[in-house]
Amino acid sequence: DTAVSQTPKYLVTQMGNDKSIKCEQNLGHDTMYWYKQDSKKFLKIMFSYNNKELIINETVPNRFSPKSPDKAHLNLHINSLELGDSAVYFCASSTYSGSGNIQYFGAGTRLSVL
Amino acid sequence: DAKTTQPTSMDCAEGRAANLPCNHSTISGNEYVYWYRQIHSQGPQYIIHGLKNNETNEMASLIITEDRKSSTLILPHATLRDTAVYYCIVRGTNAGKSTFGDGTTLTVKP
Repeated sequence: DTAVSQTPKYLVTQMGNDKSIKCEQNLGHDTMYWYKQDSKKFLKIMFSYNNKELIINETVPNRFSPKSPDKAHLNLHINSLELGDSAVYFCASSTYSGSGNIQYFGAGTRLSVL
Repeated sequence: DAKTTQPTSMDCAEGRAANLPCNHSTISGNEYVYWYRQIHSQGPQYIIHGLKNNETNEMASLIITEDRKSSTLILPHATLRDTAVYYCIVRGTNAGKSTFGDGTTLTVKP
């Protein structure tokens, strides 16, 4: 079983549309994240949720709205898509074990806005 | 979280050890050193982490200097499949903002 799974893997859409990316983890972790990796390959955190509560929101436009229905899921909804939103979006999860906090990443969702 | 500095790129011959350095001179006492890698736009993969002692697992070894201001990731017998971008990250007990930086592009050559 995949530990952190994202759907869809590829997403091609027109400017102005609204789309969602789903993420699920079966590791029992209490913290989940969304990262964006643009064409320059820089991996930047967008959001972090701990036990369904938002704990990090890194100056992301409010067109991006994360939703965590439970600890195992963190979905990302994007309104009014823009060309600059084209990127690879990675979901991750982690938990503190007493000897560190290891993040596990999904395979990514490749979003192309035309 | 402390900032890290890594070389932009490195080459390594297949079968030889790959030693990837990381400078984290502003690390604080409760911050761990983590290493991840990203193979060709796949999701980042955890490799190893440590606080102050050297660590080894099935993938790699991590050597942390006594003053904790730098560390080295060692892949003992690099293979072509180890070609990837390697990220050194320093952070506390919470994953926090987990800034990945630019990383080191390791190319393993036949």
